[in-house]
Amino acid sequence: AQSVTQLGSHVSVSEGALVLLRCNYSSSVPPYLFWYVQYPNQGLQLLLKYTSAATLVKGINGFEAEFKKSETSFHLTKPSAHMSDAAEYFCAVTLNTGGFKTIFGAGTRLFVKA
Amino acid sequence: DTAVSQTPKYLVTQMGNDKSIKCEQNLGHDTMYWYKQDSKKFLKIMFSYNNKELIINETVPNRFSPKSPDKAHLNLHINSLELGDSAVYFCASSQGSLTTGELFFGEGSRLTVL
Repeated sequence: AQSVTQLGSHVSVSEGALVLLRCNYSSSVPPYLFWYVQYPNQGLQLLLKYTSAATLVKGINGFEAEFKKSETSFHLTKPSAHMSDAAEYFCAVTLNTGGFKTIFGAGTRLFVKA
Repeated sequence: DTAVSQTPKYLVTQMGNDKSIKCEQNLGHDTMYWYKQDSKKFLKIMFSYNNKELIINETVPNRFSPKSPDKAHLNLHINSLELGDSAVYFCASSQGSLTTGELFFGEGSRLTVL
């Protein structure tokens, strides 16, 4: 069965510090992997996606993620946190099972301290 | 011009009532979804429609009945509301392409059952 595990329900960093949000997945077939961001009282929006091209994927707002098959990981990073990065982040795996089915991790709330 | 729009944004109702949420997308996508986000931010897929045809039904109680009059619209009707139905319901759409599976979300409809 496919699943997504996000390590840490809450992560707190100082402004300007490195952001690292962890995601591990399990999938019986090559997955499509995504990171979505949710700001308060809003829907989710795509941050970046991995679809079997380059293993290092760059997204919006300076975020990037690296797909590591041997570790079944897809961790999200940003070199320098900004106050506006405070939000809920979701890692997701999408499978095509006769229709796209996306399974989300439990989410990681990112806090950014001034 | 909102890509995926849901109405209403907020619903407050009593147990036992019936309510509907409407969703429309103007992206020209083939596939639409309903997701439920609980109070802990956990996202779970409920239904998926492709070109008006139901393709994913994730063991949702039959009090929940989706309807897709055309591929740009997906509505959700809930009968006999229960306290546990309180959540944020998100509509989403995707192109259904093998190369993406990226989801575009509406802003959510927050349902509170008293």
